[in-house]
Amino acid sequence: QVQLQESGPGLVKPSETLSLTCSVSGYSISSQSYWGWIRQAPGKGLEWIATISHTGTTYYNPSLRGRVTISIDTSKIHLSLRLTSVTAADTAVYFCASQLGGRDYADFWGQGALVTVSS
Amino acid sequence: QAGLTQPPSVSKDLRQTATLTCTGNSNDVGNEGAAWLQQHQGHPPKLLSYRNNNRPSGISERFSASRSGNTASLTITGLQPEDEADYYCSAWDSRLSVVVFGGGTKLTVL
Repeated sequence: QVQLQESGPGLVKPSETLSLTCSVSGYSISSQSYWGWIRQAPGKGLEWIATISHTGTTYYNPSLRGRVTISIDTSKIHLSLRLTSVTAADTAVYFCASQLGGRDYADFWGQGALVTVSS
Repeated sequence: QAGLTQPPSVSKDLRQTATLTCTGNSNDVGNEGAAWLQQHQGHPPKLLSYRNNNRPSGISERFSASRSGNTASLTITGLQPEDEADYYCSAWDSRLSVVVFGGGTKLTVL
């Protein structure tokens, strides 16, 4: 079974860049697959952020395009997320997820990492 | 980015059947179908079904999904206290090339 674990700073200042890493085990991130980031603001629903294929094809939420970058690191064991120019509206629990069956749904999820944007 | 439409809340009695709905359009639910996720407070979502009626290994047969046109449904039979959770649908929007989520339905088991 795929296991995912998010890591990164829990506090980011407004206008700075949010960077998160997702460690993957139980499945090779370079095998045929998709991987994604989803977030959930406090008390709110799920918001899809981005998806990347094992070949590097990326798909972004239009509302975040221009600020967000999803990538797979060269060691092929980490999934990364960068979100620039953050504001309080970016405060959320950020989940990484595998999309092994296709780009249309997330099958295994990490526990989530709370990121607060505040000065 | 338009999302999928779910009723905010549904309440049903213990051991009864609940049917949750998720309405999209021909570019998302009506195209590749929908997935359903269950989320308990303080926990990550858990996949219950994908592409309309496929259940991952380990998911109870009490959970079944279907689709009619642009509306997907999740039926939960024999409601148990542990079924009380938030339920989300998601789908791939083939026009925008994005994943879209519904706003979620809070299921209360009375």
